[in-house]
Amino acid sequence: DQQVKQNSPSLSVQEGRISILNCDYTNSMFDYFLWYKKYPAEGPTFLISISSIKDKNEDGRFTVFLNKSAKHLSLHIVPSQPGDSAVYFCAASEYGKLTFGQGTILTVHP
Amino acid sequence: DADVTQTPRNRITKTGKRIMLECSQTKGHDRMYWYRQDPGLGLRLIYYSFDVKDINKGEISDGYSVSRQAQAKFSLSLESAIPNQTALYFCATSDRDSPWHGYTFGSGTRLTVV
Repeated sequence: DQQVKQNSPSLSVQEGRISILNCDYTNSMFDYFLWYKKYPAEGPTFLISISSIKDKNEDGRFTVFLNKSAKHLSLHIVPSQPGDSAVYFCAASEYGKLTFGQGTILTVHP
Repeated sequence: DADVTQTPRNRITKTGKRIMLECSQTKGHDRMYWYRQDPGLGLRLIYYSFDVKDINKGEISDGYSVSRQAQAKFSLSLESAIPNQTALYFCATSDRDSPWHGYTFGSGTRLTVV
């Protein structure tokens, strides 16, 4: 049973518009949620995180929202840039171990 | 130099062969992990180690073993490789005192078992 799910395999947006990536989870014991970005031939790189006691965290163009009652988090990228094109993984932490979603391929068109 | 170094970057091996993937880190982190990535399945945890004397199985440990030779080194072995172990393998490290910083990943090892 997959505890962290990203139901959209891909997302395509225009440069300058908002990108919204979604993630659902089932385990109420997760204490942190994180987003990673991955380019081909590279390892995932950490983007932004949020504690389970918060509902929003912002870092520049990236904002993560957490809705605990719905067990849902989302990553907003505003404005989107072509360099943001990559695979995005959400992850959830329990006692320091990360469980990852399947990933969403984001393509930002110029 | 990279914070987390994986060797080799690419490897093709035959079914039944033993193979070792190596990982070393300069982050000074206590915790190290091995994940595999398969299309449509994301990253799945194989083994993890919270310190040199601590080794734990992840969700898909069957067919794999690990060795934590030092704080900075964590190797993954496939005792008898099979084709469905063809995947992209990632090593990662983390700081136990900063869980909100997530993991630092290596660049990956692409393993093909023929």
